[in-house]
Amino acid sequence: DADVTQTPRNRITKTGKRIMLECSQTKGHDRMYWYRQDPGLGLRLIYYSFDVKDINKGEISDGYSVSRQAQAKFSLSLESAIPNQTALYFCATSDRKGGPHNEQFFGPGTRLTVL
Amino acid sequence: DQQVKQNSPSLSVQEGRISILNCDYTNSMFDYFLWYKKYPAEGPTFLISISSIKDKNEDGRFTVFLNKSAKHLSLHIVPSQPGDSAVYFCAAADYKLSFGAGTTVTVRA
Repeated sequence: DADVTQTPRNRITKTGKRIMLECSQTKGHDRMYWYRQDPGLGLRLIYYSFDVKDINKGEISDGYSVSRQAQAKFSLSLESAIPNQTALYFCATSDRKGGPHNEQFFGPGTRLTVL
Repeated sequence: DQQVKQNSPSLSVQEGRISILNCDYTNSMFDYFLWYKKYPAEGPTFLISISSIKDKNEDGRFTVFLNKSAKHLSLHIVPSQPGDSAVYFCAAADYKLSFGAGTTVTVRA
């Protein structure tokens, strides 16, 4: 079984719709992250959370919001989707015991298309 | 501005030969560097890392070299195998990870 799961794996939606991407982990890690991948740009950090009560903006948080419902769950929402949010989205986790450089474990990704 | 750059979007190498992937960074505050490998339809997986106080780290067929004065690191894969065909991301850490755009490696039989 996968340690970091993302749902849905693929989603096509229309401009203006609200979308939620969900991430769950069974690794017992405190830290969770949301990234998006675009061709030629690599992975860019959207939001991160170091524990349930901690939420921080990353480099491209505009147009997104997150919710850390539990240690194991971290959701990303697009309140009103727009076409330039079409991308591959990854959730990741890491263990605080290793410090900020600790290895991050990624989910399989969600491919989102906004028409 | 991207603080981590991988200027070669793709690399093709024959099986058994060496693959060399390059990465440049601009932020001198980065103190840890990592390489991730990604197959299609999967998330990136950690490959190898190096602290800024070292200049080389080796793990089996994979070696990472760091040149702090040039703000440059490279990943060597020797010998290259067909299963190494993937996208490789360079990442640099301060309080978070900053990723390069990736290099797609194709190992030819």
